[in-house]
Amino acid sequence: GAGVSQSPRYKVAKRGQDVALRCDPISGHVSLFWYQQALGQGPEFLTYFQNEAQLDKSGLPSDRFFAERPEGSVSTLKIQRTQQEDSAVYLCASSLPRDYGEQFFGPGTRLTVL
Amino acid sequence: AQKVTQAQTEISVVEKEDVTLDCVYETRDTTYYLFWYKQPPSGELVFLIRRNSFDEQNEISGRYSWNFQKSTSSFNFTITASQVVDSAVYFCALSGSNSGNTPLVFGKGTRLSVIA
Repeated sequence: GAGVSQSPRYKVAKRGQDVALRCDPISGHVSLFWYQQALGQGPEFLTYFQNEAQLDKSGLPSDRFFAERPEGSVSTLKIQRTQQEDSAVYLCASSLPRDYGEQFFGPGTRLTVL
Repeated sequence: AQKVTQAQTEISVVEKEDVTLDCVYETRDTTYYLFWYKQPPSGELVFLIRRNSFDEQNEISGRYSWNFQKSTSSFNFTITASQVVDSAVYFCALSGSNSGNTPLVFGKGTRLSVIA
């Protein structure tokens, strides 16, 4: 079956613009995670959904970051009034919410804020 | 708090050499999972292995092997007879007891360059 897909793969935004990043998880995967990977760093957790419920948003760096998953499938990460420090690769992962659940990662969206 | 340390930032080896990537972790959980992921230049994270905290048996998969030592909180990864295709960034990661619904905590990664 298809893996996790993300769109767009690349996004260039001017500082102050709003952006929306999309994640299509593997069909049937209840858990969905967003991570942010700065250049030369490991991915860092942003937020977690189980179905449509956002159970953990402790990693969101500011109130400019907002994520939703209204029907428990596709998820959107929105960044308002982008800043240069938001430049990073945004990774989405999905899994089954059980012990031994492996997180499958998408290819990521590389966001560059000018 | 959980933490993963990969002290080696970059490693270069000549093809066919063996190479070991180090990973040290910190956690207060008694049950946890450890992972290794590979990130090739294309950017996608590729799962390599998951290990339960109760299973300290070493594992070998082809040219890859993993050494888990709870006493030193280490989970090292060895590539035997390295190949150019092994060139990538390798991440060690840690999760809580339910790896399917807890966030992964990643190290900063080790960039491996295998030279022909």
